[in-house]
Amino acid sequence: KAGVTQTPRYLIKTRGQQVTLSCSPISGHRSVSWYQQTPGQGLQFLFEYFSETQRNKGNFPGRFSGRQFSNSRSEMNVSTLELGDSALYLCASSFGQLTYFGPGTRLTVT
Amino acid sequence: QQQVKQSPQSLIVQKGGISIINCAYENTAFDYFPWYQQFPGKGPALLIAIRPDVSEKKEGRFTISFNKSAKQFSLHIMDSQPGDSATYFCAACLTYNFNKFYFGSGTKLNVKP
Repeated sequence: KAGVTQTPRYLIKTRGQQVTLSCSPISGHRSVSWYQQTPGQGLQFLFEYFSETQRNKGNFPGRFSGRQFSNSRSEMNVSTLELGDSALYLCASSFGQLTYFGPGTRLTVT
Repeated sequence: QQQVKQSPQSLIVQKGGISIINCAYENTAFDYFPWYQQFPGKGPALLIAIRPDVSEKKEGRFTISFNKSAKQFSLHIMDSQPGDSATYFCAACLTYNFNKFYFGSGTKLNVKP
């Protein structure tokens, strides 16, 4: 089976812009989660989707949003980018509690 | 409040030695504890996981020891190899909370040849 794929792998954006990141989970996995990884804060949970419904949300501002499509693919959006949003954004695909991460999208905000 | 505390922050071990990474958690309701391995430029990879009804789980050279009363769990890497050099993260999760993992801060392991 193919693993979790994320696109794009690298992004450079300017403060104030918005960005959309995409994730394709492992075939058959209906749960998709998003995490932000930074050197200072480590891995932090953003939100989780199952069958197009957000089931859980972390402590991030409303500028961070996501959605899931009927084929389980997911996108996350960050509006009005801030310098502090620079991070590795990881998508995770789950079957039960077995959770597998993608390679991440490295977002740099200048 | 940090839900999962991990130590040490970094670890240097000689090839063939034992690497030990420790984690402590706050919430006694956590019921799933995975360990992830991350190489530079890659996403975390699931290594091994344990549930609190088991005190130890072994998979190859990797062993999780779990102490429910102390709210602690640890990863032991036997016969450590240079290829094991990576950052290791412990995590904890509540089954009913739909895959919301609380991660430790990570341990950077360097295995010297």
